[in-house]
Amino acid sequence: DGGITQSPKYLFRKEGQNVTLSCEQNLNHDAMYWYRQDPGQGLRLIYYSQIVNDFQKGDIAEGYSVSREKKESFPLTVTSAQKNPTAFYLCASSSLGQANTEAFFGQGTRLTVV
Amino acid sequence: LAKTTQPISMDSYEGQEVNITCSHNNIATNDYITWYQQFPSQGPRFIIQGYKTKVTNEVASLFIPADRKSSTLSLPRVSLSDTAVYYCLVESGTYKYIFGTGTRLKVLA
Repeated sequence: DGGITQSPKYLFRKEGQNVTLSCEQNLNHDAMYWYRQDPGQGLRLIYYSQIVNDFQKGDIAEGYSVSREKKESFPLTVTSAQKNPTAFYLCASSSLGQANTEAFFGQGTRLTVV
Repeated sequence: LAKTTQPISMDSYEGQEVNITCSHNNIATNDYITWYQQFPSQGPRFIIQGYKTKVTNEVASLFIPADRKSSTLSLPRVSLSDTAVYYCLVESGTYKYIFGTGTRLKVLA
């Protein structure tokens, strides 16, 4: 099955620890994205990447880092510098080249920092 | 980047038609309008997309007036399972999908 996979579904970490969220896609999409969603709120863009070894900051990049070493993978690290990391994190991917391409989302990772 | 404005919430009863309107006054000539649906604790999923006039698929219709400054998502005969958050997006052409706060639709029995 083609799709986008996030793991784990639930993640618990102690305050002050870095944590890495996994996102893998087998859709052969060039672009990948990370969003954060807080309860009752919309999605906010953290980082996005349109090509391997390149990525750009979104609206709320502070306290997060990403890498894009492979086309299929776009891991997100939530660092200790992120002041309020508890949230629902969504990864997405899309193809490039057309103005009307849609984004495909994973099922999300719910991160709780205690 | 075009900004979108939607109602925060709507209630409807099963079997009714629901229309959700989105304003995007600063839409650019090359922008498309896309709607996504999100259930709790899941990622959004694509519903429908259009550029102008009317688009219809198996789940919804999308109405876009000539000036393209707004669009209306129409869900025919909603059921309880249509309870979700609906997002209107305008593709900025830079492949950055910018989500607003969405419209929280609650379908009542």
